[in-house]
Amino acid sequence: DQQVKQNSPSLSVQEGRISILNCDYTNSMFDYFLWYKKYPAEGPTFLISISSIKDKNEDGRFTVFLNKSAKHLSLHIVPSQPGDSAVYFCAANSGTYKYIFGTGTRLKVLA
Amino acid sequence: SAVISQKPSRDICQRGTSLTIQCQVDSQVTMMFWYRQQPGQSLTLIATANQGSEATYESGFVIDKFPISRPNLTFSTLTVSNMSPEDSSIYLCSVERSGYYNEQFFGPGTRLTVL
Repeated sequence: DQQVKQNSPSLSVQEGRISILNCDYTNSMFDYFLWYKKYPAEGPTFLISISSIKDKNEDGRFTVFLNKSAKHLSLHIVPSQPGDSAVYFCAANSGTYKYIFGTGTRLKVLA
Repeated sequence: SAVISQKPSRDICQRGTSLTIQCQVDSQVTMMFWYRQQPGQSLTLIATANQGSEATYESGFVIDKFPISRPNLTFSTLTVSNMSPEDSSIYLCSVERSGYYNEQFFGPGTRLTVL
């Protein structure tokens, strides 16, 4: 049973436009959500997070939105840049060290 | 931020053999974690390793298959024993960001292929 789902395995966006990556979860006990970015041959790097007490968190070009009633979160990147091309993982936890990861979305930003 | 290195970065192994993966951190950390990412799958936690105690394994993972050592606060090893092609994965170690229990730093991973 996949508790965290990223239903789009890949996404292509034109440079300068908005990239929207989506993530759905099933466990209502999750109270903290994170996005990681992964380049080839590197480990995932932390990008942005959001607590369940918020519905939005912004950091520069990156904004994460949380819709608790829909059990859905999304990552917006605007404007998208070619260097943003990577695999993006969403992850969730319920206040412990244990993360549940999605399967990732490969973003390609076209110059 | 923590700097984490892993050895080897990749290996190709024969069925039935074992491989030990090393993880080195540039600062002392209490908890170290080992993950597996099978092809096309998400990252899955294998076990948590605390210095001076037995590793804690997640459901579906056992010590006989994935023995872990944690001899000090900056180093850990994961052994993949009696390998089969199903063990072909990327294996990653990670540590918690100090003061931020929800955030973890990951090593670059070890890409294992079992023939």
